[in-house]
Amino acid sequence: AQKITQTQPGMFVQEKEAVTLDCTYDTSDPSYGLFWYKQPSSGEMIFLIYQGSYDQQNATEGRYSLNFQKARKSANLVISASQLGDSAMYFCAMREGNAGGTSYGKLTFGQGTILTVHP
Amino acid sequence: NAGVTQTPKFQVLKTGQSMTLQCAQDMNHNSMYWYRQDPGMGLRLIYYSASEGTTDKGEVPNGYNVSRLNKREFSLRLESAAPSQTSVYFCAGGGVYSNQPQHFGDGTRLSIL
Repeated sequence: AQKITQTQPGMFVQEKEAVTLDCTYDTSDPSYGLFWYKQPSSGEMIFLIYQGSYDQQNATEGRYSLNFQKARKSANLVISASQLGDSAMYFCAMREGNAGGTSYGKLTFGQGTILTVHP
Repeated sequence: NAGVTQTPKFQVLKTGQSMTLQCAQDMNHNSMYWYRQDPGMGLRLIYYSASEGTTDKGEVPNGYNVSRLNKREFSLRLESAAPSQTSVYFCAGGGVYSNQPQHFGDGTRLSIL
């Protein structure tokens, strides 16, 4: 079974609008972390935002926010005020185990969502 | 401020040839990782090293070997390349705490003919 599912292969958004990229996950571990990465056409992986399973509030980083619904096991990325430079592939990833402690766990990635921002 | 450096950036091999992908990090990470990225499949973990001197298999280890030479360097070796190993390979270094993200190199685009 897929541990991370991104059901939107591609999304389109108008510049300056907000967009939500979906991510659902599957784990029985009470301690886990969820990450979003951006991969532009140049290929590098850029970390955007993190949410820990014990975090009480949704994570925010500038124009990025995470809509974390623990009971539904979803961690959707919201990008506000989209810019042309936001056009890229976006990956959701999960690390299981020790959400607040020493890291040793591996990342499991979803298949990614290609976001295209139209002017 | 190099971060995670991978070499080479591009490589073309013939089936059966061997090669080693190099990765070095200057971020003092204990853990390092090798992933491959194939269209429609996201990134999949090949091998990882939780600390200097230890390595473990990930999701897709067949056909690969790794060496954690020291804390900085983690290499990936293809002993006998196959067309199915055509992919983009990423090395990453992990933070000490799990809320710290893995930092990725720029990737190696490998084609096996």
